[in-house]
Amino acid sequence: GNSVTQMEGPVTLSEEAFLTINCTYTATGYPSLFWYVQYPGEGLQLLLKATKADDKGSNKGFEATYRKETTSFHLEKGSVQVSDSAVYFCALTPRQGGKLIFGQGTELSVKP
Amino acid sequence: GAVVSQHPSWVICKSGTSVKIECRSLDFQATTMFWYRQFPKQSLMLMATSNEGSKATYEQGVEKDKFLINHASLTLSTLTVTSAHPEDSSFYICSARDGGLAGQSYNEQFFGPGTRLTVL
Repeated sequence: GNSVTQMEGPVTLSEEAFLTINCTYTATGYPSLFWYVQYPGEGLQLLLKATKADDKGSNKGFEATYRKETTSFHLEKGSVQVSDSAVYFCALTPRQGGKLIFGQGTELSVKP
Repeated sequence: GAVVSQHPSWVICKSGTSVKIECRSLDFQATTMFWYRQFPKQSLMLMATSNEGSKATYEQGVEKDKFLINHASLTLSTLTVTSAHPEDSSFYICSARDGGLAGQSYNEQFFGPGTRLTVL
């Protein structure tokens, strides 16, 4: 079956630190991969996506590369800000469409 | 573009009453809408998938008679929590997918801001 596993949180960093949130997946075929961000009290916003192997999604300084050989889609940012504090969800959807399958979410807290 | 709204953003109701939550796609036609439930500090749990004009498909363990879903048009889906009880208190999030939005992946879902339901 399809599944997504994220590193457990919470992750606490100081401002301007480097961020990595690990995400690995299990899927049949060639899924599309996503990172969503949820700020406190809000719904989800798409942060970035990649639809095929070796694609790099990027947005707002965040990056993630679709690695088929390691079935990973790790989220990185070179210098985090306090405003990046949120919960980050890795997700996939099978190429044939259908449900989004979410990881458990990783809470990020950035301290000034 | 690709904006999804939900109404209300929060609601408090008494035990035993029914509550309706609306999900609208504002600038595209949503052939498919999804309803999720999220408990504090947890991931999203898919409750059901609804396609316009047909009955919703519920995930295992979700009571279809308690969570009534209607997707009567390409821009509106509603979730009605019937005879709500305190254990139904949660954050309900909808998303919508458009199969024909130019330049967008068929797989992409757009999420509403969520509705916080508190049942007293």
